[in-house]
Amino acid sequence: GAGVSQSPRYKVAKRGQDVALRCDPISGHVSLFWYQQALGQGPEFLTYFQNEAQLDKSGLPSDRFFAERPEGSVSTLKIQRTQQEDSAVYLCASSLINPGRREFIKNIQYFGAGTRLSVL
Amino acid sequence: LAKTTQPISMDSYEGQEVNITCSHNNIATNDYITWYQQFPSQGPRFIIQGYKTKVTNEVASLFIPADRKSSTLSLPRVSLSDTAVYYCLVASLPRQLTFGSGTQLTVLP
Repeated sequence: GAGVSQSPRYKVAKRGQDVALRCDPISGHVSLFWYQQALGQGPEFLTYFQNEAQLDKSGLPSDRFFAERPEGSVSTLKIQRTQQEDSAVYLCASSLINPGRREFIKNIQYFGAGTRLSVL
Repeated sequence: LAKTTQPISMDSYEGQEVNITCSHNNIATNDYITWYQQFPSQGPRFIIQGYKTKVTNEVASLFIPADRKSSTLSLPRVSLSDTAVYYCLVASLPRQLTFGSGTQLTVLP
C-alpha cells in the first residue's frame, strides 16, 4: 500500500495479557517511530529505528514495552503483562530521512491510523 | 527539547481565515517548525514546515518572525472538514517530534 499500515486497528486485552502491535511502514523508508497517544493528549514518543537498529528507546514507559524491526521494514511493538494504564492509541510513523543526519530535523513523518489498545 | 505553547481550542466559521499561533521561546538555531493536523481515529498528517519568514503551500501558510520564538499557522477560508487538532512542533535532535496537546479547531457552519 501507499501509506503506513498498522494492525490490528483495535485490540482488547485482559490485564496481564501480552499483546503485539504491527506496523508496516512505507516501502523504502529508513526511519520508523512509535508513539503512544492517550485520550485527549498529543502523541508521546516511545522509540525509533534506523533500518533494523533501535537508536532511541528512552520513551518506552517500562521494561514491559519492547519494540523490534528485525529486517529493517516491518516493526512490532510488544507489551508484556498489560496494565490498565497501557490503554491508549499506539501510532507508528515512518520517514525517508536517516535520523543520524542533520536533515533529520526537517523530515516529514507519515503516520498510520494507529492501534487502539484497551486493557480491561 | 524546545517546548511549545498553543491555545487549547479555537472556534471559527466556514469561509473565515484562521490563525493559530504557537510560542516556542527556547527554539534552537537548527530547529525547524512543523505543523501537523489530526482527525479523530487517524494519525497526524503533515501540513507545513518552515525555518523563518513565510512559507506557503496549497493548504496553509506559516509565518515565522525574525526571532523565531513564535509561529502562526494560517488556514485560508476554512471549511467544516478543517475541524481537527493542530499540533505545532519544533524539531530537536535526536528525538525530533515532541507533540504538545495541540489546538482543537472547530469550524462552525
